[in-house]
Amino acid sequence: NAGVTQTPKFQVLKTGQSMTLQCAQDMNHEYMSWYRQDPGMGLRLIHYSVGAGITDQGEVPNGYNVSRSTTEDFPLRLLSAAPSQTSVYFCASSYSGDSYGYTFGSGTRLTVV
Amino acid sequence: RKEVEQDPGPFNVPEGATVAFNCTYSNSASQSFFWYRQDCRKEPKLLMSVYSSGNEDGRFTAQLNRASQYISLLIRDSKLSDSATYLCVAPNFGNEKLTFGTGTRLTIIP
Repeated sequence: NAGVTQTPKFQVLKTGQSMTLQCAQDMNHEYMSWYRQDPGMGLRLIHYSVGAGITDQGEVPNGYNVSRSTTEDFPLRLLSAAPSQTSVYFCASSYSGDSYGYTFGSGTRLTVV
Repeated sequence: RKEVEQDPGPFNVPEGATVAFNCTYSNSASQSFFWYRQDCRKEPKLLMSVYSSGNEDGRFTAQLNRASQYISLLIRDSKLSDSATYLCVAPNFGNEKLTFGTGTRLTIIP
């Protein structure tokens, strides 16, 4: 049982490049989310999904796309990287229902130069 | 007003002492709340959930005051390993989305 697995752990991009952050969970969780964490800002929700084929925008969705073709995978795509997207990105998953906490992946540290 | 507000600290507390954090929230529809712990350069990890009046787990006690819209976390007999940032979290009604406070940094001093 690996939990939530994120790859890569570190990435440096040039402005304008695109890339996909991978997230996979093996707990059969319905809910999956992407957050970014910046100093002094706390974690902010980018996109989330309540099940395969269903995604929705969070607080800061601009510049990012997601898809959820399977229950296990929830990749985050940066369309055209900008320095403002330099951040730590966390993927998280949970069972449905408000009594369950989320399990987080170990994060991806992204720098855009 | 932010949806979830926490005192950022830092709280520097001697080992063995009791320390308490408060967190205020603005969405009165929130039913449950969570405290997460985050170590430096690591992912948040679930510490405790808070539903009705409160929850206790060993040295940790979390309480909820719906009338005043705040939750608290009490740590008794603090250990060096308790040094971390503590995040207050309010899910939306269906738990699809989490709103995080900016965290309270705690350092336990030997």
